[in-house]
Amino acid sequence: NAGVMQNPRHLVRRRGQEARLRCSPMKGHSHVYWYRQLPEEGLKFMVYLQKENIIDESGMPKERFSAEFPKEGPSILRIQQVVRGDSAAYFCASSQDREWSPLHFGNGTRLTVT
Amino acid sequence: DQQVKQNSPSLSVQEGRISILNCDYTNSMFDYFLWYKKYPAEGPTFLISISSIKDKNEDGRFTVFLNKSAKHLSLHIVPSQPGDSAVYFCAASSGSSNTGKLIFGQGTTLQVKP
Repeated sequence: NAGVMQNPRHLVRRRGQEARLRCSPMKGHSHVYWYRQLPEEGLKFMVYLQKENIIDESGMPKERFSAEFPKEGPSILRIQQVVRGDSAAYFCASSQDREWSPLHFGNGTRLTVT
Repeated sequence: DQQVKQNSPSLSVQEGRISILNCDYTNSMFDYFLWYKKYPAEGPTFLISISSIKDKNEDGRFTVFLNKSAKHLSLHIVPSQPGDSAVYFCAASSGSSNTGKLIFGQGTTLQVKP
């Protein structure tokens, strides 16, 4: 009964490189969310996806960030040309397709940009 | 503009006593509230939730109270145990169709002393 699986747990990238973060939702969950926690801050919503669809990306930076949740495979959060300010913990969460379904979070990917 | 506020950064309680964590919100459109617990290097763990049609919800040692007129919610943990020591986040959302887009507070660090 696996929970939300994220990998890698830690990712180090140099400025200008690309970062790819992967997330497999809990079994039976069809809704995926990405959140970011910057140092000394709370979690901030980035994007909400269902299979093959972006439902709400109002929290995503306008440039360099993209997300997908393909029909097969995990959800991917992609950050192009990373900068030091992208260093943060990125959490994926999933929920069931029903009203009032709470989010269940993965253990996050800690991205460090050097 | 912090829509969800946890004004106490930290709280220390003796084992066996009650822990009360508080949370205030400003957006009257919020209709679903959740509490999460977070250990270092792990993702948030869902504890308990409440919808705006209720004013109290209980689950074992955890009870959440909602005061809509005051835009205030609280989490009571009775009795507190050393394993409860963690950071606690309250979160809120509006619109039951997308209850996964949560606004988080900054968190309160709870320390339960043996």
